[in-house]
Amino acid sequence: QKEVEQDPGPLSVPEGAIVSLNCTYSNSAFQYFMWYRQYSRKGPELLMYTYSSGNKEDGRFTAQVDKSSKYISLFIRDSQPSDSATYLCAMSAASGTYKYIFGTGTRLKVLA
Amino acid sequence: DTEVTQTPKHLVMGMTNKKSLKCEQHMGHRAMYWYKQKAKKPPELMFVYSYEKLSINESVPSRFSPECPNSSLLNLHLHALQPEDSALYLCASSQVAGGVMEQYFGPGTRLTVT
Repeated sequence: QKEVEQDPGPLSVPEGAIVSLNCTYSNSAFQYFMWYRQYSRKGPELLMYTYSSGNKEDGRFTAQVDKSSKYISLFIRDSQPSDSATYLCAMSAASGTYKYIFGTGTRLKVLA
Repeated sequence: DTEVTQTPKHLVMGMTNKKSLKCEQHMGHRAMYWYKQKAKKPPELMFVYSYEKLSINESVPSRFSPECPNSSLLNLHLHALQPEDSALYLCASSQVAGGVMEQYFGPGTRLTVT
């Protein structure tokens, strides 16, 4: 079993839809959670960063962490064709470990 | 400013060449990373420098040689690479302490080994 599981997709949605992207994990020591957006042939761009449990909102993006279920989500409201990319979740156990465990990424296509 | 810069953007090299990849950040981060990413795969950690000292080497072949000249710069020296080393090479940086674990990536260098 992988430490972090993420559905590879592709996930196709119409423009304006609410998108839900998810990762599950097995290591209860993870405390730091990140979502990255990666366009084809580009570097990952940090979208959201959350420490421990709870919700965080930034514009059209909302990140949720449920540590009891070992489940994290990224919601994208009013999705746009420009949101079409691969979304990677990443997590880490503790400051100073330098180890970030990545999900395999979900390919999202927002159709105009 | 949360920018990590990398040069060159693209690099084509033969198996006998020696080349270097460069990375720079000015966020005051004291941890810097090299990752390798193949198509449709997540980034794969290669090296980590903390306070300019090599902290992690993920059993990377010696044909890859990292260097951290100062707290803002990170190099990856390449020699006698194989075609299977063709990939996107990503540099990243983060804080070391203070419980903040945000990691920022550069745009990457797309390397092709012929």
